Amino acid sequence: GAGVSQTPSNKVTEKGKYVELRCDPISGHTALYWYRQSLGQGPEFLIYFQGTGAADDSGLPNDRFFAVRPEGSVSTLKIQRTERGDSAVYLCASSLVGGGGLEQYFGPGTRLTVT
Amino acid sequence: SQQGEEDPQALSIQEGENATMNCSYKTSINNLQWYRQNSGRGLVHLILIRSNEREKHSGRLRVTLDTSKKSSSLLITASRAADTASYFCATELETSGSRLTFGEGTQLTVNP
Repeated sequence: GAGVSQTPSNKVTEKGKYVELRCDPISGHTALYWYRQSLGQGPEFLIYFQGTGAADDSGLPNDRFFAVRPEGSVSTLKIQRTERGDSAVYLCASSLVGGGGLEQYFGPGTRLTVT
Repeated sequence: SQQGEEDPQALSIQEGENATMNCSYKTSINNLQWYRQNSGRGLVHLILIRSNEREKHSGRLRVTLDTSKKSSSLLITASRAADTASYFCATELETSGSRLTFGEGTQLTVNP
């Protein structure tokens, strides 16, 4: 079956611009996660959705970052007024249900470069 | 700061040898998971071990967990060149629900 997909695979944008990153989770998975990974580091948690609602957004670094999941499937991570420090690979993952105790299935990531 | 710390940061071995990677963490966990990542992109789940388990096996992989020492190890037996990748441990903390906290990873190189 289809895994987690993310689009675009690469995004280059200028400092100050707005970007949207999309994640399609595995069909039927109710939990969706966003992580950010800088070069040479492990992924860092950003936000977790259970269904349509953000169950935990404590990892969002500041109010320039926002994510939605309006119908409980596809999610969009939105970054306003991008900064060079936002350059990273943005990873999306899903699991069958939330609440923990299950493996998370990761997408291939979106490599964001802010020039 | 990262919850998990992997050791070593980099490991280079010959095909057929065993590879052992270690992970330490700081606070109480529900479970610990190991993931593999090729070429800095998507992660592949390897094994999940719960806090009340001490050892799990999956094919050539063996994971141990010592909650008293807050540490885990991943052993890959009879390594292959295709095992070359970065390996991350990730903890699901008792206090933070289902979010995962990753270490910085071990870069494993298996030379043919």
